[in-house]
Amino acid sequence: QSVLTQPPSVSAAPGQRVTISCSGSSSNIGTNVVSWYQKVPGTAPKLLICENNKRPSGIPDRFSGSKSGTSATLDITGLQTGDEANYFCGTWDGSLHAHVFGPGTKVTVL
Amino acid sequence: QLQLQESGPGLVKPSETLSLTCFVSGGSISSPGYYWAWIRQPPGKGLEWIGSIYYDENTYYNSSLESRVTISADMSKNQFSLNLNSVTAADTAVYYCARHPQAPNFEYWGQGTLVAVSS
Repeated sequence: QSVLTQPPSVSAAPGQRVTISCSGSSSNIGTNVVSWYQKVPGTAPKLLICENNKRPSGIPDRFSGSKSGTSATLDITGLQTGDEANYFCGTWDGSLHAHVFGPGTKVTVL
Repeated sequence: QLQLQESGPGLVKPSETLSLTCFVSGGSISSPGYYWAWIRQPPGKGLEWIGSIYYDENTYYNSSLESRVTISADMSKNQFSLNLNSVTAADTAVYYCARHPQAPNFEYWGQGTLVAVSS
């Protein structure tokens, strides 16, 4: 059971926008930076967002992240069929002394 | 370009030790400032961080696994390893190695290797 909560799934038509939430607590998101990962079945996770809102080189600006209090959000605009994947949030939990990940949100492009 | 590649048996018997090695190319694991981690994903479940080793070989582990885990590094071969003992079926997962700075941003990942625990 993860200490981070994400919706199991979200969906939208191509070109539209989806928002994925990641809810935590003061011991994790509330006091630490959040990262987001894209996971396509059978492939390694890809870092999309680091330190709450920074995009690594090569990540399109259609992906953006934000954090407020004990929650974080990943926005994907201009949705493409290639964006179908599972998306995980991750952070450090100071109470557990562990890196923790959310359970993942499956994005479906209708 | 940094590349990581996991290697090890795909099948381990219950109660035995799971041993994996991560071969790193395109960068040195002895470079200051980076941690080298093991993460796993059981079938149908989310990601679970197992532990990390620093360039100075200091380690820290997920407390839920700490009693069974050892992560070590061979700087001369530019590789690091995972040993997980007393495995059960619950340890069946795809195991990934990855690199991260002090911040929890796992920047580079291996392709992952499936390890099944079964007799």
